[in-house]
Amino acid sequence: AQSVTQLGSHVSVSEGALVLLRCNYSSSVPPYLFWYVQYPNQGLQLLLKYTTGATLVKGINGFEAEFKKSETSFHLTKPSAHMSDAAEYFCAVSRTGNQFYFGTGTSLTVIP
Amino acid sequence: DADVTQTPRNRITKTGKRIMLECSQTKGHDRMYWYRQDPGLGLRLIYYSFDVKDINKGEISDGYSVSRQAQAKFSLSLESAIPNQTALYFCATSDGPVGFYEQYFGPGTRLTVT
Repeated sequence: AQSVTQLGSHVSVSEGALVLLRCNYSSSVPPYLFWYVQYPNQGLQLLLKYTTGATLVKGINGFEAEFKKSETSFHLTKPSAHMSDAAEYFCAVSRTGNQFYFGTGTSLTVIP
Repeated sequence: DADVTQTPRNRITKTGKRIMLECSQTKGHDRMYWYRQDPGLGLRLIYYSFDVKDINKGEISDGYSVSRQAQAKFSLSLESAIPNQTALYFCATSDGPVGFYEQYFGPGTRLTVT
C-alpha cells in the first residue's frame, strides 16, 4: 500500500505570511497527487491536482504545489495567508487512479 | 441542490444494531467511494465501486458491507455496529480519468455507536 506523510498536524501562520504545508509520499512510480481542503462541518473539496505534465500546479484560492519526484514530495504553498484559509488540508495519492490514500491532515490556523 | 448527498447527517445507535448510510449523486459519475474519517488518522477507504456490478474492498472493509443499487446510489451498512466504528463517514464520486480523478465529496454522516 502507498503511504502519505503530512509533516505537522497543526500549522499556524500570521495573516499575510507564507503558507507551507508539507506532503511526502511513497510510491514506486509517479503517482497522481492531490490536495483537498476541509472547512468545518463540510466535506472535502479539491484545491489542486497533479496527474501529468507541468510539475508546478496552480489551484484555487491562490494555492499551488510542486511535484518533486526526486524528493517524493508535493508541498502546498500560498504566498500570503488569508483568514479564510483556516481549515484542514489533506494530501492524497493514487498510483492508478482507482484507490486513493490520504494523509492524516494538517490543521491550518491563521493568526490576525 | 447538492451534487452528492448523504443521509442521515447524524446518527446515534447502540452496539449490535444494524445501520445503513446512504449516498446519492446527481453528477452522473460511475465511480463511488466510502471513506471514514477519524481524528489524527485522516480518511481511509472502506469500499469503492466503478459501476453497479463492480464492488471493491478498500483498506478497512472489515465490519462493513455495501450495495450499489443504481449508478446514482451507493449504500454502506454496518451489520452489527461496534463503538470503534464511531466516526465521520464520507461518500465521494469521481469521473475517473475523464475528470482527472478528482473526487467530489458529500457533506458527511457523523455516526456515534454507544
